[in-house]
Amino acid sequence: GAGVSQSPSNKVTEKGKDVELRCDPISGHTALYWYRQSLGQGLEFLIYFQGNSAPDKSGLPSDRFSAERTGGSVSTLTIQRTQQEDSAVYLCASSLGTDQETQYFGPGTRLLVL
Amino acid sequence: AQSVTQLGSHVSVSEGALVLLRCNYSSSVPPYLFWYVQYPNQGLQLLLKYTSAATLVKGINGFEAEFKKSETSFHLTKPSAHMSDAAEYFCAVSLLLSGAGSYQLTFGKGTKLSVIP
Repeated sequence: GAGVSQSPSNKVTEKGKDVELRCDPISGHTALYWYRQSLGQGLEFLIYFQGNSAPDKSGLPSDRFSAERTGGSVSTLTIQRTQQEDSAVYLCASSLGTDQETQYFGPGTRLLVL
Repeated sequence: AQSVTQLGSHVSVSEGALVLLRCNYSSSVPPYLFWYVQYPNQGLQLLLKYTSAATLVKGINGFEAEFKKSETSFHLTKPSAHMSDAAEYFCAVSLLLSGAGSYQLTFGKGTKLSVIP
């Protein structure tokens, strides 16, 4: 079946602009995760959803970052007033949920803030 | 708190030689452990996982890893390297998050494997 998909695959934006990154999880997966991969920080956990709910948002780097999930499926990660340090690859993953610890990753969105 | 340490940010082996990528973890509870591989400009692909069943875990592409509790290690091996194995490899430990059934992965810094013809 189809895997996790993300769009856009690449995004170049100017400092100060807002960006939206989209993730389509594997059908039937109730859990969805966002990670950020950058040269200096490696792979960082940002946020997860169980259904449409995000119980813990403490992993988000600043209040410029927000995420939502609708219909238990698609999720968007929004970065407002982008900064150069936001440049990274943003990875989305999904898993079946309860007691299913294996996460399946999408190809990522490569964000470059000029 | 949990953490993962991968020894060696870059490992080079000759084609046909043994591949050994090291991973040590710390976790306050019995962990789930994973190895993921990332090819250039691609996402992460699961190689194998340990979930407290057999301590020797076999994965895809001929890779395997052995969970050693006494050494808190989960090293990845492959008997004979192939050119197509050149990629970046990430070890990860999972933590059950608040809110039932969801897990946070904590990753090591990654090891880039080069295979020399």
